[in-house]
Formats: sequence, C-alpha cells, structure tokens
Amino acid sequence: AQTVTQSQPEMSVQEAETVTLSCTYDTSENNYYLFWYKQPPSRQMILVIRQEAYKQQNATENRFSVNFQKAAKSFSLKISDSQLGDTAMYFCAFPSTQGGSEKLVFGKGMKLTVNP
Amino acid sequence: DSGVTQTPKHLITATGQRVTLRCSPRSGDLSVYWYQQSLDQGLQFLIQYYNGEERAKGNILERFSAQQFPDLHSELNLSSLELGDSALYFCASSVRVHTEAFFGQGTRLTVV
Repeated sequence: AQTVTQSQPEMSVQEAETVTLSCTYDTSENNYYLFWYKQPPSRQMILVIRQEAYKQQNATENRFSVNFQKAAKSFSLKISDSQLGDTAMYFCAFPSTQGGSEKLVFGKGMKLTVNP
Repeated sequence: DSGVTQTPKHLITATGQRVTLRCSPRSGDLSVYWYQQSLDQGLQFLIQYYNGEERAKGNILERFSAQQFPDLHSELNLSSLELGDSALYFCASSVRVHTEAFFGQGTRLTVV
C-alpha cells in the first residue's frame, strides 16, 4: 500500500529556532512528487514546498527546505528561523496511483507551535 | 489566494437535509479533488475527477455524490445529513494527477 507516515503528532519550538518535521512514505514508483502543506488556525490548506523524486537537489523555499532521502523514503521539512506565523498543522502528501486509483494521500499531520 | 473557489463558506442545516457544495478550480486545472476534514482530524479523501470523469474514489458514503461539469467546476452533494457529517469540506485542483494540488478555503458544514 502507498502510505504516508508522520510519526510526530506535535512539536513546539521557540521563535527563531530551527525545527525539523519528519515524514516517511511507501511506494514502488520511481518518479513522483512529494509535498508539504501547512494548515494554520484559519484552516486554509497552503502548499509549502514540493520535491520531485528524480531531482537529487533538495527543494528550498525561503526558510523552508527539505531533506529528501529517496532510498530511505524519507521526506523531512526543515523550518529555519521559526516565526510565530509558522504555528500550524503540517501535512506531508504524496500522489498515490495504487491500483489505477489516483489520489493525493496525506499523512495525519503534525501540530507545530512556535512560542515567543 | 489559491485560485480555487468554494461556495458557500459556511452552511448550517438540519439532520436529514440535502446540501450542495460547489467548487471552481484554478484556471487550466483539469483535476478536482474533494476532501473531508472533521475537527482535529486529518484529511479524508472522498473523490477525484479529471476532465469530467471520475478517477478515484475514497471513503465516500453512499449518501454523498459528486460530479464535474463540462466547464470543469464540481459539485459535492450530501444527502440525508447526519450530525457526524459536520466537517470542513475542501476542494482542491491540479493541472493533472501527480502534481501539487491547490486548495480552496473550504466549506464549513454544521449539521444541527
């Protein structure tokens, strides 16, 4: 089965610190994308960053970067210089095509709190 | 602004009623997804359409149905509503499958 696992349900950090959110996934495919979404208290789902599996270089978007380990099927998100506005639920997502069914599969999410 | 429009933003209705949620995808996006998110829960995939055709079905109840119209907008119909159907319903769209999806602001459904 193609699954996405976020093992840390909750984390808290101090403002300006760096935090890493973990995600592992399971797939037999070779070419695919991986995504991190953020859901702040407003509950809007916001795409944070994406990684293409065929690219060896880790994706970076300002303070957000990923550590993509294809062999280990690991896709962690690093947030540098955490800000209060980073407080949100973070979901790792993966486009699953198992059994001819195509859908975006999400992990259960991790609640990040940034404290002043 | 993601470019995905969902209406209405809020909906309060009684048990046993039927409601329709509407989604307009981003311009050029052919794929539309529907997700349900209950309070403090993750995203439950309901159904996906691509260019008018159903492509994937998740944990969608028989009381729920959806369709995508020729202009690519989509509607999610929820009938015989129960208290447990209260949730945030998201629509998302993408250019094609396997790429990132952009989400609407969601419709918050409250069944009383």
